[in-house]
Amino acid sequence: EADIYQTPRYLVIGTGKKITLECSQTMGHDKMYWYQQDPGMELHLIHYSYGVNSTEKGDLSSESTVSRIRTEHFPLTLESARPSHTSQYLCASSETAGAGELFFGEGSRLTVL
Amino acid sequence: AQSVTQLGSHVSVSEGALVLLRCNYSSSVPPYLFWYVQYPNQGLQLLLKYTTGATLVKGINGFEAEFKKSETSFHLTKPSAHMSDAAEYFCAVSEIGSSNYKLTFGKGTLLTVNP
Repeated sequence: EADIYQTPRYLVIGTGKKITLECSQTMGHDKMYWYQQDPGMELHLIHYSYGVNSTEKGDLSSESTVSRIRTEHFPLTLESARPSHTSQYLCASSETAGAGELFFGEGSRLTVL
Repeated sequence: AQSVTQLGSHVSVSEGALVLLRCNYSSSVPPYLFWYVQYPNQGLQLLLKYTTGATLVKGINGFEAEFKKSETSFHLTKPSAHMSDAAEYFCAVSEIGSSNYKLTFGKGTLLTVNP
């Protein structure tokens, strides 16, 4: 049973607001990821981290930023939300070794008005 | 670079019928292959994975997939569809031996099961 949690599950917010999407895992995984998912499209990796104080940008350019101060916590922040940021954001983690299997949270659906 | 192609963005079957969801990949090295399922308003859940060994892999909920290297395919099947199988299914690939553990996902196939 995967133990990875995302909050909030749903967020509706106005343009220009700052938002932080929280992601926490209790599995002790070093690797954590943020994916952006739009209907009918593949998942796009926007950020990843291979450990504390390690963050990298993914394949899809994003205006969001991430931090990794603790192993279990990988929050994503948008300083000034815009309607183009409306999407579902999925957090995932994986073990250090192994096949790279990802464990996903339930997602945070963001709507920017 | 690796890529994944899922043929058919939407597949519709009758309850009790065979489910076949197609996945082809390209990879410069032998890959690890995965199928994930996503139910409405939820995250992705691993159905099954191929790493090494037996090319026919069994997963949860009666699904299985066969790795065919010559065809670069990893199609997902289930002999008899159930209403609860209605969901979106994603195929994914990662490269063996790579220190880069990023998975590459296909665009997904939405499975509809009709009563």
